[in-house]
Amino acid sequence: DAKTTQPTSMDCAEGRAANLPCNHSTISGNEYVYWYRQIHSQGPQYIIHGLKNNETNEMASLIITEDRKSSTLILPHATLRDTAVYYCIPVNNAGNMLTFGGGTRLMVKP
Amino acid sequence: GAVVSQHPSWVICKSGTSVKIECRSLDFQATTMFWYRQFPKQSLMLMATSNEGSKATYEQGVEKDKFLINHASLTLSTLTVTSAHPEDSSFYICSRSRQGISNEQFFGPGTRLTVL
Repeated sequence: DAKTTQPTSMDCAEGRAANLPCNHSTISGNEYVYWYRQIHSQGPQYIIHGLKNNETNEMASLIITEDRKSSTLILPHATLRDTAVYYCIPVNNAGNMLTFGGGTRLMVKP
Repeated sequence: GAVVSQHPSWVICKSGTSVKIECRSLDFQATTMFWYRQFPKQSLMLMATSNEGSKATYEQGVEKDKFLINHASLTLSTLTVTSAHPEDSSFYICSRSRQGISNEQFFGPGTRLTVL
């Protein structure tokens, strides 16, 4: 699976958009980009995934660059409950295994 | 609502004792479930893949005789930490895949183990 680089931490004002970048320059053609988040002392939660097209669901939007070497998770209106560690995980859709990197600790502030 | 539960949510035990953690799939029969471990301020690390009716598959560096996994039914997988030591203190989390979408996983709430 491809390696990822994410900022260690980010701050965001409540109500503003949170844009979380992820670099996955070694991603292969059959790897999707999955995003999960983990609120403190809880199990991770699936957010969204994509292959090459931008995706949107009720939680977030995912923007994937045309060369697929990076992506950005967008929380359009961050709330205090969005404070969590966000993980970007490229993974071959043929398998089940998720390899968690360091993630980005997002702190949403009032 | 939650689709994966774990019990207990936390446990404190003495060194040398064994602790069993249960992971239940509440809405779907899962032939495969996963066990992760997370040390403080670190990321999740996959320990093993639990397979219903067969032996678990352990990741490199995880002692299968110390971390016993049993997946006796399609809704229950158990992880037993045998002869626990303080270095086994960690947050243990299980998961199962969403039906038909292998990499979209539902995680349990986790079990915090503290070994004194």
